[in-house]
Order: sequence, then structure tokens, then C-alpha cells
Amino acid sequence: QVQLVESGGGLVKPGGSLRLSCAASGFIFSDYYMSWIRQAPGKGLEWVSYTSSSGSVIYYADSVEGRFTISRDNAKNSLYLQMNSLRAEDTAVYYCARDFLGAAADFDYWGQGTLVTVS
Amino acid sequence: QSVLTQPPSVSAAPGQKVTISCSGSSSNIRHNYVSWYQQVPGTAPKLLIYENNKRPSGIPDRFSGSKSGTSATLGITGLQTGDEADYYCGTWDSSLRAVVFGGGTKLTAL
Repeated sequence: QVQLVESGGGLVKPGGSLRLSCAASGFIFSDYYMSWIRQAPGKGLEWVSYTSSSGSVIYYADSVEGRFTISRDNAKNSLYLQMNSLRAEDTAVYYCARDFLGAAADFDYWGQGTLVTVS
Repeated sequence: QSVLTQPPSVSAAPGQKVTISCSGSSSNIRHNYVSWYQQVPGTAPKLLIYENNKRPSGIPDRFSGSKSGTSATLGITGLQTGDEADYYCGTWDSSLRAVVFGGGTKLTAL
């Protein structure tokens, strides 16, 4: 069965860095676009970034452009999000999600999320 | 505020029908597919509708989606108390080159 498991969240000071990981299993990871989506406490969903199946096409939300870097290792079935220059407003639960159609907004599987607290 | 506009809340009695609207623009909804997600607080979102009106396997046909112009609508018939959750619409915005979500709608079964 498809599983996405995020890790790497935690408490970090403003200006600090954190690297999130998402371990994928149960499907051919290298066939799928993947995204990071976050949700601040009590708020709605906010898309952060996505990468094409090969990693050759990458997009970021304006709010993280220049500070966050998405990457993937298809040999390790893993997705990453390197977060630098963190701000209080980056505090959120971060989900990795599979885009099953490759059209960018069709997320059929989500991880359980990992909490990032910037304080 | 969100690029896509949803009502903050909707409510209906169990057994009734409810609709949730999602309003966007020419750069997002008009020319791109819309998806809908259900999120029970404390859990990850769940895909309900993709490509405007298609349901993934396992999603009951009580849930439906439609799109017209720059707006999309999620419909839920035979409302159940278990449907109480937050609902989000999402799509690609061609101008922003970004996935955009609505602000979410809290559904209450009275």
C-alpha cells in the first residue's frame, strides 16, 4: 500500500535551518510528481513546492522562494525540503503529497505531516 | 487571503444536500482542473474530487463536483454527521505558476 512518511520537523529559532524528509513506499516513486504542502495552526492549506518526477521541473510558492529547496532521490524513494532562513510564519505542519496525475493539484496520497515550529 | 474564495462555513441537516462554492479567475479555475479535499481536524487531507468531477475509488457518489467558468462547486447529498470536516478546493494557477487552495469551508451537520 502507498505510504508517505515525513520526518525532520522540530523546534528551530528564527533564521535557522531544517531539512524535512519524506520516505515513500508502495509505488514507483520515480513515476510521480511530488509536492510539499503546509498548514499553519488553525489555518488552511498552503502549497509550498513541487517537483516533477525527474526533478527537472520545480516550482515554489512566493512565500518560500529563495529560502526553501525541494529535491528528491529516486534511488532512495525520498523527497526532501531544505528550509533556510526560517521565520515565525513558517510554523506549520508540513505534508508531502503525491500528485497522481502530474497536473500539479491532484494529491491522492498524503503523509501524516511533520510539525515545524519556528520560535 | 486565498487566491480561491470559499465560504467560511456551511451547514445543513443530516440527510439534506449541501453545496460549497469555490470562486477563482481566468488564470486558475477557468483553464485548469479543480480538485476537492476533505480534512477532519488533526488528520491529513483526503482527495474527494479530481479533474472537476471525478471521484477516486472509494469515494461515495454522494460527493460530486462541477465547474462553470471561473467557479467550481462541491455537492454533498444525504449529509451525514461523519461528513463534518473542513473542505478545500485546489487548482493550478497558470499566472502564479503555483498550486492554489481555497481558504477552506467548515461543514456542520446540524
